[in-house]
Amino acid sequence: DIQMTQSPSSLSASVGDRVTITCRASQSIGTYLNWSQQKAGKAPKVLIYGASTLQSGVPSRFSGSGSGTDFTLTISSLQPEDFATYYCQQSYSTPRTFGQGTKVEIK
Amino acid sequence: QVQLQESGPGLVKPSETLSLTCTVSGGSVSSGSYYWSWIRQPPGKGLEWIGYIYYRGSTNYNPSVKSRVTISVDMSKNQFSLKLSSVTAADTAVYYCARDNIVLGNYYFDYWGQGTLVTVSS
Repeated sequence: DIQMTQSPSSLSASVGDRVTITCRASQSIGTYLNWSQQKAGKAPKVLIYGASTLQSGVPSRFSGSGSGTDFTLTISSLQPEDFATYYCQQSYSTPRTFGQGTKVEIK
Repeated sequence: QVQLQESGPGLVKPSETLSLTCTVSGGSVSSGSYYWSWIRQPPGKGLEWIGYIYYRGSTNYNPSVKSRVTISVDMSKNQFSLKLSSVTAADTAVYYCARDNIVLGNYYFDYWGQGTLVTVSS
């Protein structure tokens, strides 16, 4: 299985801050990397697929980059509704695997 | 608008079989453009992909549960189902069904059900 490791596991930030979350794969996965947001008690919602393609309807303050083994999710200006847990997930091979999550909390 | 809805018992006894159904509306499980997946999340923990089914009936399961899991599809009811046998407390989780979309070779879960909590306890 491909292991996905996110850092940090949690972070505290203020509204308006620029936030960066990283994800590392245990082997090269090209750009087969997705990012999702999960709010408490809700299902995850995809933000970015293919490492950098913004899902329809997702605000442009979210962006993704990377290829191979190292990937980044950036929120350019954190908004109150962005406080949530973020997961990376590889779709290069099965079993599909997720990172352990990064919880973004209010500072 | 595609919607998915999980249904099934919220409490299952140890060693018994967990059975859930996902009903799809606004889309068709018989479409050849998607896979249909089950994903679970133990309370307070991360996400684990269980497996998927394609409309022709082909399946792909996570080795972590492969010996205990069956995913099937019922095109007449526009549903797909999960059966997980010999459950233990470790199978307690919120279970989600999701559509696995394919765009330019990229697979991603674009629609999810709301999730259903299944507790394994006697």
